[in-house]
Amino acid sequence: KNEVEQSPQNLTAQEGEFITINCSYSVGISALHWLQQHPGGGIVSLFMLSSGKKKHGRLIATINIQEKHSSLHITASHPRDSAVYICANSMDTGRRALTFGSGTRLQVQP
Amino acid sequence: DARVTQTPRDKVTEMGQEVTMRCQPILGHNTVFWYRQTMKQGLELLAYFRNRAPLDDSGMPKDRFSAEMPDATLATLKIQPSEPRDSAVYFCASGRYGSGELFFGEGSRLTVL
Repeated sequence: KNEVEQSPQNLTAQEGEFITINCSYSVGISALHWLQQHPGGGIVSLFMLSSGKKKHGRLIATINIQEKHSSLHITASHPRDSAVYICANSMDTGRRALTFGSGTRLQVQP
Repeated sequence: DARVTQTPRDKVTEMGQEVTMRCQPILGHNTVFWYRQTMKQGLELLAYFRNRAPLDDSGMPKDRFSAEMPDATLATLKIQPSEPRDSAVYFCASGRYGSGELFFGEGSRLTVL
């Protein structure tokens, strides 16, 4: 069974801090996604990765396929980064239906 | 700016009524997903289409839910009859088969009284 676990569930940080959110999964995957959801808002795809590391602005996502683990890092955090961050994976590239983690609620205080 | 469009954004209805949610995928995308989000269960897959054909609807309660793609520009999710436990936010997402990247709509918030 494909299970996706995220930690921490809740995270409060001060503006400027370096933030790490972790994601572990139980089965081999074809791709891992990091998604962002602001309160009451839609879902935005931040990254899709199947190996190595990707960077976009202050966001960095890494994945270790052997350890079945991925991390999302936010450098120089800002209050506007406050959102729920969701890790999701797909077991089959063709099917691409996602299995989701429960999300990490991040609050960045000024 | 291409985006996935969902209607309605908000729907309040009474138990037993029929509800239809619509999704317009991004032009050129040939995979469409319906997901449901609740506080208790988080995000769950309801249905998946590729080239308008349903490939996976195992997450959908078959007795009351139905999903279709009458054409490449429209996906529908219908609930009949609706029940209070169907109250959730329903997301549609689309993508190109093989690319892996997904684009989500803003969601349709359903409240069944």
